[in-house]
Amino acid sequence: DAGITQSPRHKVTETGTPVTLRCHQTENHRYMYWYRQDPGHGLRLIHYSYGVKDTDKGEVSDGYSVSRSKTEDFLLTLESATSSQTSVYFCAIPSPTGANVLTFGAGSRLTVL
Amino acid sequence: AQSVAQPEDQVNVAEGNPLTVKCTYSVSGNPYLFWYVQYPNRGLQFLLKYITGDNLVKGSYGFEAEFNKSQTSFHLKKPSALVSDSALYFCAVRDRTGANNLFFGTGTRLTVIP
Repeated sequence: DAGITQSPRHKVTETGTPVTLRCHQTENHRYMYWYRQDPGHGLRLIHYSYGVKDTDKGEVSDGYSVSRSKTEDFLLTLESATSSQTSVYFCAIPSPTGANVLTFGAGSRLTVL
Repeated sequence: AQSVAQPEDQVNVAEGNPLTVKCTYSVSGNPYLFWYVQYPNRGLQFLLKYITGDNLVKGSYGFEAEFNKSQTSFHLKKPSALVSDSALYFCAVRDRTGANNLFFGTGTRLTVIP
């Protein structure tokens, strides 16, 4: 999606290894969000950021940390991945075209074996 | 706390027939409500929103939704379904903070049968 990219798009890792997902935006927006999508749960907010070095927890933040050292990048880290963190992860930013609307990235599919 | 319920995991409808995807919400105060659609292997795309004003909201691709405060519902509708409408649909409510956080329902998979 225009203005927001996620990397990697696919990753397979083993239990106990660290994993970092990157979200990059070109819209210069203060707010950035990380969600995870799981069948039967929809999308759930993990963490969000409201500026450089300003972050806060969402509803499913346990086992995840985030960092925002510059406006354009928001990193999601799994310090020690577990199988329950197998999911599709989406980054989002406020839409430049509509108030109160989020624009989502294409997603990062993570499999923890 | 805010929450959204989508009571149907799956909705099947014949092409050309009207479709409805149901959503009910729970929130204190006035709600900000949204519908998003997800096509296979894609991120979510915004369809429409209700913030204030007219209870009938029109959005992208011919979709509309009706806000019903007494029934706390925000059902998504389309008069004539297309095969290309087949996708996963999410209802969402925004929280009351300035963070613009969205809380999503569990999703409804719509299948339009040719």
